[in-house]
This record gives sequence, structure tokens and C-alpha cells, in this order.
Amino acid sequence: AQSVTQLGSHVSVSEGALVLLRCNYSSSVPPYLFWYVQYPNQGLQLLLKYTSAATLVKGINGFEAEFKKSETSFHLTKPSAHMSDAAEYFCAVSMNTGNQFYFGTGTSLTVIP
Amino acid sequence: SAVISQKPSRDICQRGTSLTIQCQVDSQVTMMFWYRQQPGQSLTLIATANQGSEATYESGFVIDKFPISRPNLTFSTLTVSNMSPEDSSIYLCSARQGYGYTFGSGTRLTVV
Repeated sequence: AQSVTQLGSHVSVSEGALVLLRCNYSSSVPPYLFWYVQYPNQGLQLLLKYTSAATLVKGINGFEAEFKKSETSFHLTKPSAHMSDAAEYFCAVSMNTGNQFYFGTGTSLTVIP
Repeated sequence: SAVISQKPSRDICQRGTSLTIQCQVDSQVTMMFWYRQQPGQSLTLIATANQGSEATYESGFVIDKFPISRPNLTFSTLTVSNMSPEDSSIYLCSARQGYGYTFGSGTRLTVV
């Protein structure tokens, strides 16, 4: 069975500070992992994805995530937060085969000026 | 990657009525999906729509309430039938491409 846990439904950081959004997964097989961002009143936009290539994945807008199999984690980071990063972030997992796609419950990021 | 145009972007509907949401993809895709995002919650898969076959519904969702059409490889509709205030949500369509999924911009539905 597949599942995703996002620790912290709300995260606040100061502008310029490190952003760290946590995601842990459970999977019986090596998964594909994704981070999506949802800006207010908009749909989902793919930030980055891990598909069993390099464990450190770089995405758009300066975000990156590292796949750590030993920790079953795929945390999202950005060295310096911008005001425009304020949004809802979703971690998601899917199996190597099949079409089921599981989302975490989301983390709302607030950036404080 | 594919671009999905979803409409309407928002609507306010009377209870008991139905609303049909449309998604147009700018390229052919095998699988399309419909999600619901209730206020303050994550996305829940409603159904998977393959062209030329009946949609496959997840537990808790039924065809009579959420009929889906998939007439070709670039288009799908979701109807929310006999609406009640509990149906107020954001509805998103998605298309699978390779390892990932592209999403429409969502339909924000309010039922009064």
C-alpha cells in the first residue's frame, strides 16, 4: 500500500530563510515521488519529481528535494524563501507501475516579510 | 508537457441542480482523472476515465452522482448531479503523462 505523510500542515518562515517541507512515504516498492504547488485559486503545478534517477532532484523556482530511501523521505527545500513562495505544497507518490496517485494532506507555507 | 484547459473556473449553483465541468487537453492522453479537493483538505481521486470505456470510480463515489464522459483522447467531462452544499469543493481534472500528471486549473464550486 502507498501513502504519504506531510509533517506540519502549516509552516512559517521569514523571507530569505531556509524552507523545509517534510514528506515521508510508505511503499512496498520503490516509488515515484512528486512535489506540487498550489497557489491561491489555482490548480496544481509540478515543482519536481523523483523517478529513480538522481536522488537529489532540482525543480522550478529554486526548489529541490532529496530522496532518502533509508529514511523513506522526500523533503522539499529552498535555501532562501521569497514572498512569492507562499502557497500550498503537496507531496505525492505513485508506484512504478499502475496509475494510482496518492497525495499528502498538504503544507501551507507562509512567508513573513 | 500537456496543457489542460478546464472550465468553468468557478460557479455558484442552486442545490438540486447539476453542473458539468469540462477539460480539454492540448495533446492525446490515455488516462484522465478527476479529483475533488474539499475546503482545507488534500485531493481525493473521484474516478479514472479511459477513452472508450466506463470510468472507474473510487470508493465513496458513484456514477449516478458523478457521471463522467471521455469521448476522445483529448476531452473529458465530469457532472456533479443533484448538488447539495456538501458538494462545495474544488474539482480538478488531470492527465497522466509518463511518470507525472498535469492538472487543470480547477473548478471552484459553491452550492447554495
